[in-house]
Amino acid sequence: DAKTTQPNSMESNEEEPVHLPCNHSTISGTDYIHWYRQLPSQGPEYVIHGLTSNVNNRMASLAIAEDRKSSTLILHRATLRDAAVYYCILRDLSRFGNEKLTFGTGTRLTIIP
Amino acid sequence: EAGVTQFPSHSVIEKGQTVTLRCDPISGHDNLYWYRRVMGKEIKFLLHFVKESKQDESGMPNNRFLAERTGGTYSTLKVQPAELEDSGVYFCASSRPGDRAQETQYFGPGTRLLVL
Repeated sequence: DAKTTQPNSMESNEEEPVHLPCNHSTISGTDYIHWYRQLPSQGPEYVIHGLTSNVNNRMASLAIAEDRKSSTLILHRATLRDAAVYYCILRDLSRFGNEKLTFGTGTRLTIIP
Repeated sequence: EAGVTQFPSHSVIEKGQTVTLRCDPISGHDNLYWYRRVMGKEIKFLLHFVKESKQDESGMPNNRFLAERTGGTYSTLKVQPAELEDSGVYFCASSRPGDRAQETQYFGPGTRLLVL
């Protein structure tokens, strides 16, 4: 499976935008880029995913580089509730039996009031 | 809709005892997954059910772990006998059938297992 590389930790001020980077230089053409986050004492939760084009939803935006070797999760206006560990995960769902999520170490995001 | 629920939320047992964790997925979700995070490590996949069938059990650490999903509804994960290294947080997740490319997994809050 293709690997992802994320910074171990990041800090951001409350109510400012946050850009969380992810490198995936060995991504294959069938890999989707998924982001999950884990709030303290909770299970992981889905944030967003994409394949080639940039994506927006109510939680965040996902900017995908043209060569797909990197992507950035954008939280437009961070709140204290966004403090979590963010995981960038590649998923090749083109074949059955490959649905599991492979978590790395993620990026621990701290929001400064 | 109700989310994924897990029971118990915490369990403290002694080495050698048996513990059974339960997961109730979101209604209508055929896919059910078990993951765990042991101390200081990353979240790791254990196994995947599609309805009552084991689709992928490549992550099960050894034969002390037994997962079942009778009737394709709730699932149980039994650890017998428990060892110290089994301590950690066990997560269950579920997803609905359909467009696999868009598959989103919904996680429960986890069961915190401590083996003494």
